[in-house]
Amino acid sequence: QSALTQPASVSGSPGQSITMSCTGTSSDVGGYNYVSWYQQLPGKAPKLIIYEVTNRPSGVSSRFSASKSGNTASLTISGLQAEDEADYYCSSYSPSYTDISTHVVFGGGTKLTVL
Amino acid sequence: QVQLQESGPGLVKPSGTLSLTCAVSGVSIRGSHWWSWVRQPPGKGLEWIGEIFHSGSTNYNPSLKSRVTLSVDKSKNQFSLRLTSVTAADTAVYYCARGVVDGREWHLYAFEYWGQGALVTVSS
Repeated sequence: QSALTQPASVSGSPGQSITMSCTGTSSDVGGYNYVSWYQQLPGKAPKLIIYEVTNRPSGVSSRFSASKSGNTASLTISGLQAEDEADYYCSSYSPSYTDISTHVVFGGGTKLTVL
Repeated sequence: QVQLQESGPGLVKPSGTLSLTCAVSGVSIRGSHWWSWVRQPPGKGLEWIGEIFHSGSTNYNPSLKSRVTLSVDKSKNQFSLRLTSVTAADTAVYYCARGVVDGREWHLYAFEYWGQGALVTVSS
């Protein structure tokens, strides 16, 4: 069970759109539609912004959207705002067939800087 | 509203046992949701530790499985984490969280409610 791969950092100017990636394998990201994304502001608990690849929880801005292609999931933030500056983490369902159990694996996180 | 609150010692000695409790309010722990622990070492990323259902069923991160035990106390509406043989590498903020379910009450492997986090330092 390896961590998902995310770029260490991305940046963009206010009003622009940015996309960050999350790469796994066919055993996690590519095999199931249980990819989630979290926003973590400094010193705060993570906040769920996307679940089941593309779904936004109630109250999450429509500026956040996501998709998946093969073993790579992507998060897009449109109309960047200063308040979007945070760390972003992806996660995926990652079942184990050796002990018939379910696991969750996170990515290493991407730091978004709004220039 | 749903609230989760971690509690426990903030300092644990090396080779000792880390014990944390997550008190749940605003909802019964007996519902359809799985309850998880996630940790974050200082300046690093998130790591899923494991999850428990009110029935006592559990799933653990394979890398921690030999040292982790999750338990649930339905009478107190809380669940707990026990991590043995700790080292400095176990120093982290420990979060408890509630899993998301869909309309069919299927586990969606996402975490919608989180506690504020509890910093546990392993040091002599």
